[in-house]
Amino acid sequence: GESVGLHLPTLSVQEGDNSIINCAYSNSASDYFIWYKQESGKGPQFIIDIRSNMDKRQGQRVTVLLNKTVKHLPLQIAATQPGDSAVYFCAENLGIQGAQKLVFGQGTRLTINP
Amino acid sequence: DGGITQSPKYLFRKEGQNVTLSCEQNLNHDAMYWYRQDPGQGLRLIYYSQIVNDFQKGDIAEGYSVSREKKESFPLTVTSAQKNPTAFYLCASRRQGATNEKLFFGSGTQLSVL
Repeated sequence: GESVGLHLPTLSVQEGDNSIINCAYSNSASDYFIWYKQESGKGPQFIIDIRSNMDKRQGQRVTVLLNKTVKHLPLQIAATQPGDSAVYFCAENLGIQGAQKLVFGQGTRLTINP
Repeated sequence: DGGITQSPKYLFRKEGQNVTLSCEQNLNHDAMYWYRQDPGQGLRLIYYSQIVNDFQKGDIAEGYSVSREKKESFPLTVTSAQKNPTAFYLCASRRQGATNEKLFFGSGTQLSVL
């Protein structure tokens, strides 16, 4: 089906370590992917995006990889900080009858331990 | 200061009552969306609108209604037919047209049943 899923609902890492948050998507026709960060009681904030014609995109301390063979979209966060603690969502964009629709995964709660 | 404004931050509904959640954006975006978020789950699409005076049902539209009389505004009404309305509601908008257009989110409204 058109679902985006995450392998792990929770992830804990030590401050300063690197973290990888996994995401699996199911629709091979998805053409655009986004990672969002959501802090408690707030709306999701954009982190990074990637188009289907790319296999890697880097931002500040974040990197997203796109493996279309296995339909994985891992998010790497380097040198984690306490402010990185949040829930992270991946989303895939589906074009349906001219409308662009984002389908979100369940989310992974990342906790940065001091 | 451009953005999406949702109000109120917290809302309480009595049994049998309809309540309306406000969403206003000054980003000049054509497309607007309403998502519902339950604890431990991802975002589920309720309704979306690509243009003024037009909107489409999302995945969980039953018990909800919307209107899009102005480009800037996309209010969501939670009707008495929605038997489990307690959730965090998020409004979002994006530019229409290109595939790689990210969603911008409001800060959300927490709806609870009295």
